[in-house]
Amino acid sequence: DAGVIQSPRHEVTEMGQEVTLRCKPISGHNSLFWYRQTMMRGLELLIYFNNNVPIDDSGMPEDRFSAKMPNASFSTLKIQPSEPRDSAVYFCASSRGGGDLQPQHFGDGTRLSIL
Amino acid sequence: DQQVKQNSPSLSVQEGRISILNCDYTNSMFDYFLWYKKYPAEGPTFLISISSIKDKNEDGRFTVFLNKSAKHLSLHIVPSQPGDSAVYFCAASASGTYKYIFGTGTRLKVLA
Repeated sequence: DAGVIQSPRHEVTEMGQEVTLRCKPISGHNSLFWYRQTMMRGLELLIYFNNNVPIDDSGMPEDRFSAKMPNASFSTLKIQPSEPRDSAVYFCASSRGGGDLQPQHFGDGTRLSIL
Repeated sequence: DQQVKQNSPSLSVQEGRISILNCDYTNSMFDYFLWYKKYPAEGPTFLISISSIKDKNEDGRFTVFLNKSAKHLSLHIVPSQPGDSAVYFCAASASGTYKYIFGTGTRLKVLA
């Protein structure tokens, strides 16, 4: 089975530009998570979707960040406008059920650098 | 306020010996715990989990021990192999929630 697929793997862009990160969860998984990993804060949950509906976006840093899940096989995380402090590795993860007591399976991440 | 702590940022172990990675938590509501392994430029990979109704779970060379009274869990790898060299994250969750709280990771280096 294919795992969680994220694109692009690397993104380098200038401050102020719009950035869109993409994720395809594992087929049959109905929970999807976006995380951000930084040296200072480790792995932080940004937003959680269940059955394509955003359940908890309390981890989204500010209004510049938005996420969508138009269908069960695709999600995007958008940053507009981007800032240097957004530089991090962004992971998408998916799991079966409501996420409770189910391991989350991670993609390989997008390394984002904002100059 | 770090609810899940991995106090050892790094650990080196000789090949064939036991690796013990430790994790402490503060929230008594946590009742499901997981260990993930992460290689460079890859996402975390699920390794093993344990529910609070157990105090031990074993899967091949990997065993997780849970001490609820001490709010402590550990991952034992025996025998350690060079391919086990990676960063290991512990994570905790409470029933009825979906959130994992991750520790900051321990970098394990297994020396050949």
